[in-house]
Amino acid sequence: EAQVTQNPRYLITVTGKKLTVTCSQNMNHEYMSWYRQDPGLGLRQIYYSMNVEVTDKGDVPEGYKVSRKEKRNFPLILESPSPNQTSLYFCASSFGGRAKDTQYFGPGTRLTVL
Amino acid sequence: DQQVKQNSPSLSVQEGRISILNCDYTNSMFDYFLWYKKYPAEGPTFLISISSIKDKNEDGRFTVFLNKSAKHLSLHIVPSQPGDSAVYFCAAVDRGSTLGRLYFGRGTQLTVWP
Repeated sequence: EAQVTQNPRYLITVTGKKLTVTCSQNMNHEYMSWYRQDPGLGLRQIYYSMNVEVTDKGDVPEGYKVSRKEKRNFPLILESPSPNQTSLYFCASSFGGRAKDTQYFGPGTRLTVL
Repeated sequence: DQQVKQNSPSLSVQEGRISILNCDYTNSMFDYFLWYKKYPAEGPTFLISISSIKDKNEDGRFTVFLNKSAKHLSLHIVPSQPGDSAVYFCAAVDRGSTLGRLYFGRGTQLTVWP
């Protein structure tokens, strides 16, 4: 089944404890992206990658890191999480290497930073 | 600064009637627009898109209209069904960027009641 998977789906952590949210797609998509969804703010792009080893900042990259060492994986790294990073995170991918191509979203990761 | 604006956080429509969701944008470099739909506890899914060279795009019950001079687009759903109840996000792509950035509005919660 073609899909985007994220792990974990739920995570409660404490301030400053490094964490990684994994994202994997099995559709051989070139484009991958991370978003966060917050009440009243909608979806905001954190980072995106148009191909392997090509990443760039979105709207709200501060406090996040990404890497794209292989096509299928695009992990989101929070080196020192803070409470303002409590949010619902979505990973997405698309076949074309552009934001205009239809993106397929993962189920989301709900992160709480205490 | 929000470049894509959905000024109505919610809309309530009776089943069978037309739903009109609105979206305004400020960046004249936006040349491609998309609508995504999101159900609770799921990732967003692509609904319909439109290029700036068109003023209308139709897909079944869904039609998107683009008024470039007013920097306004709208999504029409006819007839509305209870299963259409979801949050709808408008998104835009900047032709002047690296084509990887996607700008989302804050979303409109559509409720279709029987």
